[in-house]
Amino acid sequence: EPEVTQTPSHQVTQMGQEVILRCVPISNHLYFYWYRQILGQKVEFLVSFYNNEISEKSEIFDDQFSVERPDGSNFTLKIRSTKLEDSAMYFCASSDRGGWQNEKLFFGSGTQLSVL
Amino acid sequence: AQSVSQHNHHVILSEAASLELGCNYSYGGTVNLFWYVQYPGQHLQLLLKYFSGDPLVKGIKGFEAEFIKSKFSFNLRKPSVQWSDTAEYFCAVNPVDSGNTPLVFGKGTRLSVIA
Repeated sequence: EPEVTQTPSHQVTQMGQEVILRCVPISNHLYFYWYRQILGQKVEFLVSFYNNEISEKSEIFDDQFSVERPDGSNFTLKIRSTKLEDSAMYFCASSDRGGWQNEKLFFGSGTQLSVL
Repeated sequence: AQSVSQHNHHVILSEAASLELGCNYSYGGTVNLFWYVQYPGQHLQLLLKYFSGDPLVKGIKGFEAEFIKSKFSFNLRKPSVQWSDTAEYFCAVNPVDSGNTPLVFGKGTRLSVIA
């Protein structure tokens, strides 16, 4: 089965530093998502991306966050100035359909971000 | 805002015991419902889903879930668990009549199966 690939698996950074989390979605997928899971809490939606622009974002996704599809294969999440509370597991997901037709999201294995 | 409640934070069962994990959601309209599983050290995987039709849905590895619209519930069941079912289980809801709305996840239930 095709997979969504995320790198690195674990990222440690100092508070205030910028981090870029990388994802390679499944090649024929058009809809891309970032979710995160703070330890002990639920998986939370951050942002969805389609046709080279953000289609929806949550309250968590403030000005410190940005997403980009710099080329035909990568989908990145950038946090400009990390805070302690950004420590979480970040999941990338992709789908070949969006909205209510979103039958199946394929998730990556996640990047554990630790902000010290 | 929509929310999903999973009542049990951690469930511990012996092998061959029956499993039922509760999931309730708060949304009055039409929804798609999902259960995802996350095995230790692995990524989220789709276990089963409900879109329409028969409210009793069968998924992989012997799991099933029943959608009870009147109770806003979508409980996950398995008649006899195995040690390999040890994982975190997430219920998720996708409202279908409000545009491109993302999945809303519950907090998850950790299942530990002991020999």
